[in-house]
Amino acid sequence: AQSVAQPEDQVNVAEGNPLTVKCTYSVSGNPYLFWYVQYPNRGLQFLLKYITGDNLVKGSYGFEAEFNKSQTSFHLKKPSALVSDSALYFCAVFTSGTYKYIFGTGTRLKVLA
Amino acid sequence: DSGVTQTPKHLITATGQRVTLRCSPRSGDLSVYWYQQSLDQGLQFLIQYYNGEERAKGNILERFSAQQFPDLHSELNLSSLELGDSALYFCASSAQLGVTGELFFGEGSRLTVL
Repeated sequence: AQSVAQPEDQVNVAEGNPLTVKCTYSVSGNPYLFWYVQYPNRGLQFLLKYITGDNLVKGSYGFEAEFNKSQTSFHLKKPSALVSDSALYFCAVFTSGTYKYIFGTGTRLKVLA
Repeated sequence: DSGVTQTPKHLITATGQRVTLRCSPRSGDLSVYWYQQSLDQGLQFLIQYYNGEERAKGNILERFSAQQFPDLHSELNLSSLELGDSALYFCASSAQLGVTGELFFGEGSRLTVL
């Protein structure tokens, strides 16, 4: 069965420091991976996706993610965190066989001034 | 603004009651997904429709049902409500089946069951 794991409930980072939010996946077949962000009382917003090609994917607001097939990971990164990056981040996987998007449990990112 | 509209934004009702949540997808999107977000359970996939037909089912209770209408809007019906059904219910849409595009989410309907 397809699954996505976000091992950290919360990540704290100081403003200006690099941030990493972790995601690992388990799928049969080719993984199509996504990151979404949710601000308080809002819907989820798309950040970036990996479909095929370059393992380093760049997305919105300066975020990027690295696809690692051998480690089945798709970690979200940003070189320099902003206080405004504080939000709930979700990793998701889509498999064409089931047409389902499966989401992780979310990681709350807190960027401290 | 994602282009996905959900109504109502907030709903308070009592146990045993029935409610209907409505979703209008982005213009041109054929696929609609419903998700439940509870405090302690993250984002749970409920059901997906494509062009009026059910395509995938997740952890949707038998008390819940959904449909997608010819104009592509979708409704999620929740009946015999229990306290544990209190949650944020999201609708999302995407363009086509088999195209690995991102989902566009509405702002959600917050259901409180008292």
